[in-house]
Amino acid sequence: EAQVTQNPRYLITVTGKKLTVTCSQNMNHEYMSWYRQDPGLGLRQIYYSMNVEVTDKGDVPEGYKVSRKEKRNFPLILESPSPNQTSLYFCASSLSGTSGRGFFGPGTRLTVL
Amino acid sequence: ELKVEQNPLFLSMQEGKNYTIYCNYSTTSDRLYWYRQDPGKSLESLFVLLSNGAVKQEGRLMASLDTKARLSTLHITAAVHDLSATYFCAGGAGSYQLTFGKGTKLSVIP
Repeated sequence: EAQVTQNPRYLITVTGKKLTVTCSQNMNHEYMSWYRQDPGLGLRQIYYSMNVEVTDKGDVPEGYKVSRKEKRNFPLILESPSPNQTSLYFCASSLSGTSGRGFFGPGTRLTVL
Repeated sequence: ELKVEQNPLFLSMQEGKNYTIYCNYSTTSDRLYWYRQDPGKSLESLFVLLSNGAVKQEGRLMASLDTKARLSTLHITAAVHDLSATYFCAGGAGSYQLTFGKGTKLSVIP
């Protein structure tokens, strides 16, 4: 089954404790992206990747890091989480970043205390 | 910088009625997407519109794109309760970046 998976689905952590949210897709998609969803703000793009070893900033990259060492994986790293990073995070992939239909993961609800 | 505005943000409509959600964007966009999100769920892709005049239909939903007016519409025909969800449009302009509208929360009532 074609899918995007994220782990963990729920995470409660404390300020400053480094964490990684994993994202994996099994569709051989070139394009992957991370978003955060906040009430009243909709979805905002954090980082995206056009292919292995190629990443770029979205609208709200501050406080986040990403890497794309393999085509299927695109982890989101929070080196020193802060409470304003409490949010619902979605990973997505598509065949191409400029035309393909996007597939979204199930979401990761992160709370930073 | 591309800005995407949806309206209305909230829409309550009766079953059987027709309505349109509007998605305006600020600069030239070379692709426009529509997504659906059910409460507590992820996003599901509905339509991808890539050229001026593009029209796509699935079931009671029809999306169109007018690049000259910088406008995309999502038209709902004879609404049913199952269409209750939040609908997002998203646009891309010349890069791989994607900008979402704030979403339209649709409630279809009997």
